[in-house]
Amino acid sequence: ELKVEQNPLFLSMQEGKNYTIYCNYSTTSDRLYWYRQDPGKSLESLFVLLSNGAVKQEGRLMASLDTKARLSTLHITAAVHDLSATYFCAVDRGGSNYKLTFGKGTLLTVNP
Amino acid sequence: DVKVTQSSRYLVKRTGEKVFLECVQDMDHENMFWYRQDPGLGLRLIYFSYDVKMKEKGDIPEGYSVSREKKERFSLILESASTNQTSMYLCASSSPVAGPRTGELFFGEGSRLTVL
Repeated sequence: ELKVEQNPLFLSMQEGKNYTIYCNYSTTSDRLYWYRQDPGKSLESLFVLLSNGAVKQEGRLMASLDTKARLSTLHITAAVHDLSATYFCAVDRGGSNYKLTFGKGTLLTVNP
Repeated sequence: DVKVTQSSRYLVKRTGEKVFLECVQDMDHENMFWYRQDPGLGLRLIYFSYDVKMKEKGDIPEGYSVSREKKERFSLILESASTNQTSMYLCASSSPVAGPRTGELFFGEGSRLTVL
């Protein structure tokens, strides 16, 4: 059974600082997804990582995938308040139907 | 703009009632999913469907059933609602077609169900 662990689960950081959220998973997969959820809202897709070594960047966020280590990172550069949200990673279980197993989410709060 | 629409944002039901949650997508996606989201537990897969009239159980199917009579519509049914089914229910769809964003889930706004 695929298990997905995110850490930290709670992250409070100051504006302007850098930090990394980690997503570890237990079985082989080369497809990993990152989502953002604002309070009271649904999930919005951020990044799709489909191969070992994949790196994607959008604004102050950068995601990478190391399938050999079964690890993805979401790096935040020079955080701003607008990045406050819950971030989820999700890992594909394999097969052709793209069923995803989600981590528990990281609640990020960026303070002025 | 891609869209997944869930029919009800908020519902309040009584124990034992039959509950229907409807989801419609306009992206012609083959795959559709129902997740529930609970604090501290993340998202858990209830059921998914990869084609019309095709369905498979997810991780927590007990107490739920689904229906997919048309490609764009996927319904979640609680045959006899119980208080432990109080939750946020999220419908999602995706395409299995190979490409740079294969398998990416598009979510609806969610249906918050309270069972009293």
